[in-house]
Amino acid sequence: AQSVTQPDIHITVSEGASLELRCNYSYGATPYLFWYVQSPGQGLQLLLKYFSGDTLVQGIKGFEAEFKRSQSSFNLRKPSVHWSDAAEYFCAVAGGNEKLTFGTGTRLTIIP
Amino acid sequence: DGGITQSPKYLFRKEGQNVTLSCEQNLNHDAMYWYRQDPGQGLRLIYYSQIVNDFQKGDIAEGYSVSREKKESFPLTVTSAQKNPTAFYLCASRPGGGLHEQFFGPGTRLTVL
Repeated sequence: AQSVTQPDIHITVSEGASLELRCNYSYGATPYLFWYVQSPGQGLQLLLKYFSGDTLVQGIKGFEAEFKRSQSSFNLRKPSVHWSDAAEYFCAVAGGNEKLTFGTGTRLTIIP
Repeated sequence: DGGITQSPKYLFRKEGQNVTLSCEQNLNHDAMYWYRQDPGQGLRLIYYSQIVNDFQKGDIAEGYSVSREKKESFPLTVTSAQKNPTAFYLCASRPGGGLHEQFFGPGTRLTVL
């Protein structure tokens, strides 16, 4: 069975500082990996996805993620956060059955 | 505009009542999904459908039912058998075949009084 772990429940970052959100997955074959963002009371928006190829993936809003098979990780990064980045971030993995399994999320707070 | 709509945004029900949540998409997507979101638990899959007139149970299907009579519609009924139905419900869809992400609707918050 596939699973996702997001070890950080809540992260606080100063505006303009760099950000890294951790994601570890468990899946026996090649995983399909996603990062979604959710503002309070809203649906999820896709930030980026990894299916194959280049292990450094660029997404929207200046985010990027790196797939590291040896570490079973897919960490999300941003060089300089903006106050509008405050939200909840979800990592997800899909296997061959096309079902998504989500992590429990990381809530990001931005301080001025 | 193409997208996924969920209605209503807020829903209140009394204990013992069934309630149906609407999900409609005009993206011509083959697959549709229902998730439940609770604080600190991420999203959990309730039911999914990969084609009209067919659907499968997800991880937490007990107390829920669905139908898929039309490609664009995938309503979810929360029955009185669901012990703790208060939650945020999200509908999603994706194109069939190949590798694609899921697209999400804005959600419905259900509160049982």
